Amino acid sequence: NAGVTQTPKFRVLKTGQSMTLLCAQDMNHEYMYWYRQDPGMGLRLIHYSVGEGTTAKGEVPDGYNVSRLKKQNFLLGLESAAPSQTSVYFCASSYSPVAPAVGEQYFGPGTRLTVT
Amino acid sequence: AQKITQTQPGMFVQEKEAVTLDCTYDTSDPSYGLFWYKQPSSGEMIFLIYQGSYDQQNATEGRYSLNFQKARKSANLVISASQLGDSAMYFCAMREGPGQAGTALIFGKGTTLSVSS
Repeated sequence: NAGVTQTPKFRVLKTGQSMTLLCAQDMNHEYMYWYRQDPGMGLRLIHYSVGEGTTAKGEVPDGYNVSRLKKQNFLLGLESAAPSQTSVYFCASSYSPVAPAVGEQYFGPGTRLTVT
Repeated sequence: AQKITQTQPGMFVQEKEAVTLDCTYDTSDPSYGLFWYKQPSSGEMIFLIYQGSYDQQNATEGRYSLNFQKARKSANLVISASQLGDSAMYFCAMREGPGQAGTALIFGKGTTLSVSS
């Protein structure tokens, strides 16, 4: 049981390049999320998914796209990377958070992305 | 306006002492949940404790307890008998709403806790 895994762990991109971050979970969770963490900012939601084939925008979606073709995978794409996208990216997953369930989120180890 | 406010950028405590990390929140939704996560220097996010807005009692999980004061909109984390391994960044987070629309977490900026021997 690996929990939530993220690929790759580190990446350096040049401005304008594209890449895809892969998140995989083996807990059969319906809900998946992508956050970015910047110094002094806490974590901010980029996109999320409430089930296979669905996606929705979060607080900071510009410059990113996502896809959830399989329940266990959630992909985050950067079509044309910019230095402002230098950050640590976290994927998370959870069971349904509908009360009274807690629906705590389980996080992956993070991907450190640098755009030069 | 910030939804989650953590006013203490850094806290220092000695081993075996108790420490309180402050968190205030802002929401008009009557149904919400409050979470605390720990992020050690290795970077992973570890779920610590949860408090629902309708919970009558303060949540406790081992050495962690949540001092929930609904009228003041505060959800402070109390760590009893601090250990060196408690040194980390701590995030308070909120989920608004009871259903799918309120699924994501809103995080505060975090408090760095340093425990010394």
